[in-house]
Amino acid sequence: DAMVIQNPRYQVTQFGKPVTLSCSQTLNHNVMYWYQQKSSQAPKLLFHYYDKDFNNEADTPDNFQSRRPNTSFCFLDIRSPGLGDAAMYLCATSRSTGQAYEQYFGPGTRLTVT
Amino acid sequence: KQEVTQIPAALSVPEGENLVLNCSFTDSAIYNLQWFRQDPGKGLTSLLLIQSSQREQTSGRLNASLDKSSGRSTLYIAASQPGDSATYLCAVRMNYGGATNKLIFGTGTLLAVQP
Repeated sequence: DAMVIQNPRYQVTQFGKPVTLSCSQTLNHNVMYWYQQKSSQAPKLLFHYYDKDFNNEADTPDNFQSRRPNTSFCFLDIRSPGLGDAAMYLCATSRSTGQAYEQYFGPGTRLTVT
Repeated sequence: KQEVTQIPAALSVPEGENLVLNCSFTDSAIYNLQWFRQDPGKGLTSLLLIQSSQREQTSGRLNASLDKSSGRSTLYIAASQPGDSATYLCAVRMNYGGATNKLIFGTGTLLAVQP
């Protein structure tokens, strides 16, 4: 039973054309995270939502935005994708933001920018 | 700033061998350390989580150890199988004041087990 679902699994977009990636969860967790993982690199946290509170990492480019309309869904919007934004985007959830709470990852969306 | 390093970057072994993957971190003030598996083009699967007060955790053929003072963790895989082929990532959570669940990842070790 899928707990963290990401759609689509593969996304191709054109340079500069806005794109939205989707994440949903059946765990009823309060926290949802977005990570970016470029080829052969470590996953890097972009931002997270704790309930409706948005928390941006200091070095996340302004080109990346996020929306969380309800507990179950969270979206990653890339306003003007560049070639350097091609990556695997991973969504994760956890019950709370404390260190004791394990994060559960989705299968990822691989973004290609042409 | 915490940095997590994994050596080697890639490893190829014949089926049946026991192997060790290494993870090191520069700041020993960690809350816990977690090992993940990532299959090609897929998300992350949690394998083992070691709290900072623990020395090791075991799950089936996997054993993870933690030496916080020296900034090291190892993942031992016994009797490797071709199905173990994947990238293995370690990640730490820091023990900063206040609640923070930020994972800091290493770049991973790509393991290939040859039949």
